[in-house]
Amino acid sequence: SAVISQKPSRDICQRGTSLTIQCQVDSQVTMMFWYRQQPGQSLTLIATANQGSEATYESGFVIDKFPISRPNLTFSTLTVSNMSPEDSSIYLCSVVGDSNQPQHFGDGTRLSIL
Amino acid sequence: AQSVTQLDSQVPVFEEAPVELRCNYSSSVSVYLFWYVQYPNQGLQLLLKYLSGSTLVESINGFEAEFNKSQTSFHLRKPSVHISDTAEYFCAVSDTGRRALTFGSGTRLQVQP
Repeated sequence: SAVISQKPSRDICQRGTSLTIQCQVDSQVTMMFWYRQQPGQSLTLIATANQGSEATYESGFVIDKFPISRPNLTFSTLTVSNMSPEDSSIYLCSVVGDSNQPQHFGDGTRLSIL
Repeated sequence: AQSVTQLDSQVPVFEEAPVELRCNYSSSVSVYLFWYVQYPNQGLQLLLKYLSGSTLVESINGFEAEFNKSQTSFHLRKPSVHISDTAEYFCAVSDTGRRALTFGSGTRLQVQP
């Protein structure tokens, strides 16, 4: 399976600031996704990162708050904008190599907002 | 749209005992089914998957799950658990096209000596 590198692994940020999380894959993948795992909870899909075009966001998530880029088939970024304590979560990148493969996850970014 | 229900939020079990973690799903389209495991302070790892073929799927560490289409279930079982199996287990479903995952709420398996 693909090796997924997610940076940073954790960060502590001030309220009102923004943080960009990077997801790098060691091979080309067909699909990339971003999920959020709030403390003690399950994972929720934020958006599908589309290569060369705007991401597809799930209900409750908007581009102004979570802008996503995917310039090529191996890299994507998620920005958490204007952060508040409610944004404290683990953010995970996941990929699908091809249509017959399951989804694999990066180790996640543990984000705390003070 | 799909949904996943994991009825048991916590399952305490003694070492070497059998365990079953329940998962039911709903979907109006064909689905793929997955179990992921999250060990304390670690990322999410794929445990096993059902994409097609045999409805009984197995993992390398002794877990198995059976896809039951009529009951819309994908329960996870292990005949004898170890302390090292202590973790959070997530059942997930995706449609066969878009592939975005919908997760259940998770089941915390606590194996006691």
